Amino acid sequence: NAGVTQTPKFRVLKTGQSMTLLCAQDMNHEYMYWYRQDPGMGLRLIHYSVGEGTTAKGEVPDGYNVSRLKKQNFLLGLESAAPSQTSVYFCASSRANSYEQYFGPGTRLTVT
Amino acid sequence: AQSVTQLDSQVPVFEEAPVELRCNYSSSVSVYLFWYVQYPNQGLQLLLKYLSGSTLVKGINGFEAEFNKSQTSFHLRKPSVHISDTAEYFCAVSEPGGSNYKLTFGKGTLLTVNP
Repeated sequence: NAGVTQTPKFRVLKTGQSMTLLCAQDMNHEYMYWYRQDPGMGLRLIHYSVGEGTTAKGEVPDGYNVSRLKKQNFLLGLESAAPSQTSVYFCASSRANSYEQYFGPGTRLTVT
Repeated sequence: AQSVTQLDSQVPVFEEAPVELRCNYSSSVSVYLFWYVQYPNQGLQLLLKYLSGSTLVKGINGFEAEFNKSQTSFHLRKPSVHISDTAEYFCAVSEPGGSNYKLTFGKGTLLTVNP
């Protein structure tokens, strides 16, 4: 099992550009989450999904959109990137009714 | 709303010394508590969790934590650390009974083990 994978691992964007981060899990988990990690801030929840076709806002959703068209994939989109979105992005997944989240290796995004 | 405070942003220790990483939480209801570890350039992995039962919880790699309801704390301890324990440690809280199993993380404590 690959677990949770994230694509790409690194990306540099210019202000105003758009991009999509892909998260894939092969554990048949129901729930999926997107976090951002900034120095001294810990992890903050951006959006999450409790099932295919269902998404919800987390703590810091502004400037991001998500989609969960397939159970195993959770996409995070930035429509118009801003320098404030420079961060490391982590995807996680968990079984339904479980608090144990499994994390991907992260995507380091720099917006200049 | 729930929140987590990790009292130390950095903890340097020498190899084979004991360590305690402090975590306090605030919540108006009962909570579930977790410690996650992040090794350099990796994602997070679960170290241990408290859901119910014994307040002393044992996790992987020789770590343990004690849930103290009166102190609203969940401190992480290890009696003798190794160089390989160098990592960032995150305390997290969740409220039972929710439908989305969201976690709220603290800001992290960087543990550096020196030879």
